[in-house]
Amino acid sequence: AQSVTQLGSHVSVSEGALVLLRCNYSSSVPPYLFWYVQYPNQGLQLLLKYTTGATLVKGINGFEAEFKKSETSFHLTKPSAHMSDAAEYFCAVSSRTGNQFYFGTGTSLTVIP
Amino acid sequence: DTAVSQTPKYLVTQMGNDKSIKCEQNLGHDTMYWYKQDSKKFLKIMFSYNNKELIINETVPNRFSPKSPDKAHLNLHINSLELGDSAVYFCASSPRYNEQFFGPGTRLTVL
Repeated sequence: AQSVTQLGSHVSVSEGALVLLRCNYSSSVPPYLFWYVQYPNQGLQLLLKYTTGATLVKGINGFEAEFKKSETSFHLTKPSAHMSDAAEYFCAVSSRTGNQFYFGTGTSLTVIP
Repeated sequence: DTAVSQTPKYLVTQMGNDKSIKCEQNLGHDTMYWYKQDSKKFLKIMFSYNNKELIINETVPNRFSPKSPDKAHLNLHINSLELGDSAVYFCASSPRYNEQFFGPGTRLTVL
């Protein structure tokens, strides 16, 4: 069985500060990993994904995430927060062979001017 | 062109009514999903179809019935609406067990 845990349902950062959103997964084999962003009153948009290959994945809007198998983590980072980054962020995991897709409970990011 | 579209965007209705939400994707994907997002933003998968066949049917009241007339469409019909059904419903599609592409959502309010 797979699951994904996002630590911190709310994160606040100052504009220009580092953004770090945490995601840990539980899986017997390395899964596919995703980060999605949801802006107010909109659907979810893919930020980045890890399937195979390089463990540091770069996404849109300056975000990146690193797959660490030893820590079963896939934390999302951005060096410098912008006001426009304020949104809900979801980590998700899917199995490589089956049809299972699980979302974390989400982290609401607030950017303080 | 919109990749995954849903209609209507907003739906306000009385308890006990029956309503449908339509979803269409023009990405040529094999798999489509319905999710429910509650007021705390928690996303729960409801159904998944692969090539018009039901492959995921989570614990959802049988008042909810998905219908897939073809690979590009997955509609959601809800009978006897209850207050607890109020939520945002998202349709999504994926190219077979990979990243999902989401529609804009349908905000359902049951009065």
